[in-house]
Amino acid sequence: QKEVEQNSGPLSVPEGAIASLNCTYSDRVSQSFFWYRQYSGKSPELIMSIYSNGDKEDGRFTAQLNKASQYVSLLIRDSQPSDSATYLCAVWTGFQKLVFGTGTRLLVSP
Amino acid sequence: EPEVTQTPSHQVTQMGQEVILRCVPISNHLYFYWYRQILGQKVEFLVSFYNNEISEKSEIFDDQFSVERPDGSNFTLKIRSTKLEDSAMYFCASSPLPSGGAEEQYFGPGTRLTVT
Repeated sequence: QKEVEQNSGPLSVPEGAIASLNCTYSDRVSQSFFWYRQYSGKSPELIMSIYSNGDKEDGRFTAQLNKASQYVSLLIRDSQPSDSATYLCAVWTGFQKLVFGTGTRLLVSP
Repeated sequence: EPEVTQTPSHQVTQMGQEVILRCVPISNHLYFYWYRQILGQKVEFLVSFYNNEISEKSEIFDDQFSVERPDGSNFTLKIRSTKLEDSAMYFCASSPLPSGGAEEQYFGPGTRLTVT
């Protein structure tokens, strides 16, 4: 059973649209959730963290968490070509480590 | 803005050789981590380190791997006898506080290890 699941994509959206990225996790005791952006050949870059049910907004990014459904999502408003990257969902399971999903590749076309 | 640094950016080694990957975590951070990412695959946890001890390690982190904080700034990952399957990008990460969980981890740029 995969611990953190993401659709590998690619998810293609036009410039200016909203991109919606989804992630599910299997461990009910997971406490903390993170979204990282990874450009090809580069390291993961932290975008958002979320710890409580509901929405958390930071600029063009909104993270949403539903612990009952074991679901976390990332919305990117006004998508730009520079947002084209792989978005990694990561879950803290309480064992001093982050567990990553395989990532969703986002393509934003001009 | 403080950042995690790693050296070298690329290491090529022959199978069976020892390699040491170096990291300088963000200065006020107390938790340190190593992850790896095989090309085209997901980021995988290797080990976490706090207060000069390993806190957690994965099944990947076998006896061929070791970590050390030899001084107040460096954090190293040693692979004693490299295998072809050790070829990957190795990322160091650090987080600020020891409470775990809610602390955000910041990643270094990575070292690409190629074993031939």
